[in-house]
Amino acid sequence: GNSVTQMEGPVTLSEEAFLTINCTYTATGYPSLFWYVQYPGEGLQLLLKATKADDKGSNKGFEATYRKETTSFHLEKGSVQVSDSAVYFCALSEPNQAGTALIFGKGTTLSVSS
Amino acid sequence: ETGVTQSPTHLIKTRGQQVTLRCSSQSGHNTVSWYQQALGQGPQFIFQYYREEENGRGNFPPRFSGLQFPNYSSELNVNALELDDSALYLCASSSPGTVRTDTQYFGPGTRLTVL
Repeated sequence: GNSVTQMEGPVTLSEEAFLTINCTYTATGYPSLFWYVQYPGEGLQLLLKATKADDKGSNKGFEATYRKETTSFHLEKGSVQVSDSAVYFCALSEPNQAGTALIFGKGTTLSVSS
Repeated sequence: ETGVTQSPTHLIKTRGQQVTLRCSSQSGHNTVSWYQQALGQGPQFIFQYYREEENGRGNFPPRFSGLQFPNYSSELNVNALELDDSALYLCASSSPGTVRTDTQYFGPGTRLTVL
């Protein structure tokens, strides 16, 4: 079945460091890919998405490119801030009867110190 | 525009009891999905409702059931609660569109503790 694999955390960085969180997927067909962020005690917020190969999603300085050849969707940010500390989830959309379900990775915790 | 809301925020139940969680979808969204997020894990798809019909279901037993109402709000019901049902339950709504652009927007969740 479809699945998402994320790098294990936690990831600990100093402010202004470069961030990469790896995400690879297994899927039949061509799913849409997403990154969601979860701050402590909150639900999930959509960070960015890409719907087809070579698309780049971007938001708030974060970027990810849909790579079909490597089945990857790695999240990057050039300069992290303390406020970026959160859990990041990679997800793919899996079609069901008349819509889609999201398949999530286990999440990667990011901790940024000043 | 009002986002996805869920109630209650927290809930404590004992094994064997039944629970109902509620979700109001974002304005203009007619599809609601429910997810279970165990501590330290990613959310897992329970089921989805589209125009008041169950539209797809994940690997959850029949004691997990749901409803969607004409205003697109939804309920998740869990019977015969087990300790492993302790989790954050997330509701997500989405707007009509093609399968490939069906972005889901999440509520803040309901934290269920089963003792």
